[in-house]
Amino acid sequence: DIVVTQSPDSLAVSLGERATINCKSSQSVLNGNKNYLAWYQQKPGQPPNLLIYWASTRESGVPDRFSGSGSGTDFTLTINSLQAEDVAVYYCQPYYTTPLFGPGTRVEIK
Amino acid sequence: QVQLQESGPGLVKPSQTLSLTCTVSGGSISSGNYYWSWVRLPAGKGLEWVGRVYSTGYTNFKSSLKSRVTISLDTSKNQVSLKLNSVTAADSAVYFCARSSMKTYAFDIWGQGTVVTVSS
Repeated sequence: DIVVTQSPDSLAVSLGERATINCKSSQSVLNGNKNYLAWYQQKPGQPPNLLIYWASTRESGVPDRFSGSGSGTDFTLTINSLQAEDVAVYYCQPYYTTPLFGPGTRVEIK
Repeated sequence: QVQLQESGPGLVKPSQTLSLTCTVSGGSISSGNYYWSWVRLPAGKGLEWVGRVYSTGYTNFKSSLKSRVTISLDTSKNQVSLKLNSVTAADSAVYFCARSSMKTYAFDIWGQGTVVTVSS
């Protein structure tokens, strides 16, 4: 079975500092020249919100403090200059032949 | 602007069938290029993809749920339906419908979700 992990499980970051979340897949999501890996932000009581697709392409309307990187099996979501409204759970979603979600990373304010 | 809205009973008895509907507005489910999925969020846990349907009616399901799940389209009503039979307490969750592009395979539009509790 394909396994997706995220690290850390949770992290606390001071306002204005950087948050880094890692996502690792047991199978590569690189197909052609695209990495089929998306990132979502989910706040309590709300549906997930798409932040990044193709590992590094920001969805329209997403602030540029959110960025994605990585290729193959290892990926990173970076939140530069953390804002109070960024408190949420963040999920990676690799795509193989069907979707799969990582376990999530909770981001809080230190 | 495409919008999704889930509806259905909030309480289902164990061993019975959970039935939900996702009504799509602002766009047709019959147009190609999109999958229509169900994703659930059990309390205290992470997101779990349940399954999807394409505009042709072609479906895929999470392997562990495959024997219990049906997802279908009603093009006359522009709706996507989910049926999950033989439910247990482990199926209690917030259920979301979501659209994914066949170009990016990312879920770009979500419904607000509906809470389903399995209890006698």
